[in-house]
Amino acid sequence: NAGVMQNPRHLVRRRGQEARLRCSPMKGHSHVYWYRQLPEEGLKFMVYLQKENIIDESGMPKERFSAEFPKEGPSILRIQQVVRGDSAAYFCASSPLLAGFLAKNIQYFGAGTRLSVL
Amino acid sequence: EDQVTQSPEALRLQEGESSSLNCSYTVSGLRGLFWYRQDPGKGPEFLFTLYSAGEEKEKERLKATLTKKESFLHITAPKPEDSATYLCAVQADGRRMDSSYKLIFGSGTRLLVRP
Repeated sequence: NAGVMQNPRHLVRRRGQEARLRCSPMKGHSHVYWYRQLPEEGLKFMVYLQKENIIDESGMPKERFSAEFPKEGPSILRIQQVVRGDSAAYFCASSPLLAGFLAKNIQYFGAGTRLSVL
Repeated sequence: EDQVTQSPEALRLQEGESSSLNCSYTVSGLRGLFWYRQDPGKGPEFLFTLYSAGEEKEKERLKATLTKKESFLHITAPKPEDSATYLCAVQADGRRMDSSYKLIFGSGTRLLVRP
């Protein structure tokens, strides 16, 4: 399967616990993006990463949320001390290496992780 | 502020009844406009990308068009399997200081095609 892989597909946490969401990009892709979809709302950008670098985290809440994309292994979105408002579907997308400010960019999405906070 | 507005929010069609979905956007510089399809419980599936006004793309019963202010997704003779939420997103011009490759999404149009 050459698609974007996310796991787990479903994650249940109690308030105050930590949630770790994993994303393996498509083969050959070096850019990863995380989006959040709250119930009855559209997809909202959270963070954009390349290997070992956070490029744009303008959509990330300032507290409790962090993301990484290490040299080896999947990208991780980490939510500390979860609250009920964190319940949402979290989607990861990936795109290939780009060059130039006008480089064409198509993002391919995974199936998402649905986080439920009790 | 960059913004995407999709209309209608929901659309019910009979099988074979053609229609169009609208995506209006406000962005100071457009790198690209994207259409995705999302089925319940799944991730968005890429359909089309358009880069300049006047451009058109087609795929089976779907045709996407782009002007300087909006995009249309035309559905010709739809079938029940076309039922899904259709998402429109824009990506800002890379020459802007605050740009990255992030996508700004609309809220989507929920399409239901009845047999």
